[in-house]
Amino acid sequence: QKEVEQDPGPLSVPEGAIVSLNCTYSNSAFQYFMWYRQYSRKGPELLMYTYSSGNKEDGRFTAQVDKSSKYISLFIRDSQPSDSATYLCATRGDTNAGKSTFGDGTTLTVKP
Amino acid sequence: GAGVSQSPSNKVTEKGKDVELRCDPISGHTALYWYRQSLGQGLEFLIYFQGNSAPDKSGLPSDRFSAERTGGSVSTLTIQRTQQEDSAVYLCASSSRSASPLHFGNGTRLTVT
Repeated sequence: QKEVEQDPGPLSVPEGAIVSLNCTYSNSAFQYFMWYRQYSRKGPELLMYTYSSGNKEDGRFTAQVDKSSKYISLFIRDSQPSDSATYLCATRGDTNAGKSTFGDGTTLTVKP
Repeated sequence: GAGVSQSPSNKVTEKGKDVELRCDPISGHTALYWYRQSLGQGLEFLIYFQGNSAPDKSGLPSDRFSAERTGGSVSTLTIQRTQQEDSAVYLCASSSRSASPLHFGNGTRLTVT
């Protein structure tokens, strides 16, 4: 079993929709939670970085972490065609020197 | 400032040849990571550097893979006697310290024929 499991998608939504992307993880030592966005033939770029449980909002993006259920989510409000990309969740503990463990990614298409 | 730079962006090689992939991290970033991304897959950790030392090499898939970092900056990932299963995108990332999030380059797309 992978340490981080991500809803595989692909996901296709109309412009303006609310998008929910989800991951689960198995290692209770994970403390840091990240979401990256990856466009085709580009490297992942950091979208959200959170520590422990709770919500973090940045513009149209909200990251949510529930450590009790080992569940992490990314919500995108008022989705735009430019949001079309692959979204990767990632987690990391305090003791493994920064090594991050990634999900396999969810590919999102936002149709105009 | 400049981001993480990787070269070459694309590399096609014949099975059995050696290849070297280069990574220039963001200036001042002490931590450097190599990951591999196969088609439609997530990121597979290969190796982590703190300065010039590699405290975690646990992800290197075989002894054909090696990496070094010099001057606390540039890193080279070497794959000897390449195999078709080595075909993937090799991503380098750096961070200002090991506790910080990663900044990725655009990767080297390796194809072994």
